[in-house]
Amino acid sequence: DGGITQSPKYLFRKEGQNVTLSCEQNLNHDAMYWYRQDPGQGLRLIYYSQIVNDFQKGDIAEGYSVSREKKESFPLTVTSAQKNPTAFYLCASSINSGPNEKLFFGSGTQLSVL
Amino acid sequence: DQQVKQNSPSLSVQEGRISILNCDYTNSMFDYFLWYKKYPAEGPTFLISISSIKDKNEDGRFTVFLNKSAKHLSLHIVPSQPGDSAVYFCAASRTGTASKLTFGTGTRLQVTL
Repeated sequence: DGGITQSPKYLFRKEGQNVTLSCEQNLNHDAMYWYRQDPGQGLRLIYYSQIVNDFQKGDIAEGYSVSREKKESFPLTVTSAQKNPTAFYLCASSINSGPNEKLFFGSGTQLSVL
Repeated sequence: DQQVKQNSPSLSVQEGRISILNCDYTNSMFDYFLWYKKYPAEGPTFLISISSIKDKNEDGRFTVFLNKSAKHLSLHIVPSQPGDSAVYFCAASRTGTASKLTFGTGTRLQVTL
């Protein structure tokens, strides 16, 4: 049963702490993405990766870091430099990063600050 | 600068009637548009798309209309069902960009009995 798995579903961060959100896909997709959703706002792109060992900043990359060591995995680290990390984080993938590709989303991680 | 706008944050429609969700965009370079549906605490799922070479695309109960001169698109759901109650996001992209979609803020649709 192919899909995108995000974990954990809920995560709490203390001040000054880095936390890592996991995203795994078994769809054999080349491209993967991280989005952030805040209440009353659309999804905003944090980082994306078109291929293993390569990634690009999205519109709101400051305070975040990613890695893409394996095709299946695209973890997102929310660093202490991200001053407003409370949000719903969505990971997505697409077959490739070409035009008109549709995204497949995971079920998300809700991150809150203690 | 919100390039994709969904000006109605919420919409309530009776079961069996038509639901019309609207979306406006400002960037004339956008040429591919999608609608995603999202239930609470879940990721969005793709619903329907339309290329700028068309003005209508239909898939079962769902039809998307594109008016390029007005930079406006709409999603029609006929007939509306209680299971359609969700948040609907409009998204747009430019051909050649690496799937960097620009999303609207979403419209919450409530289908009542």
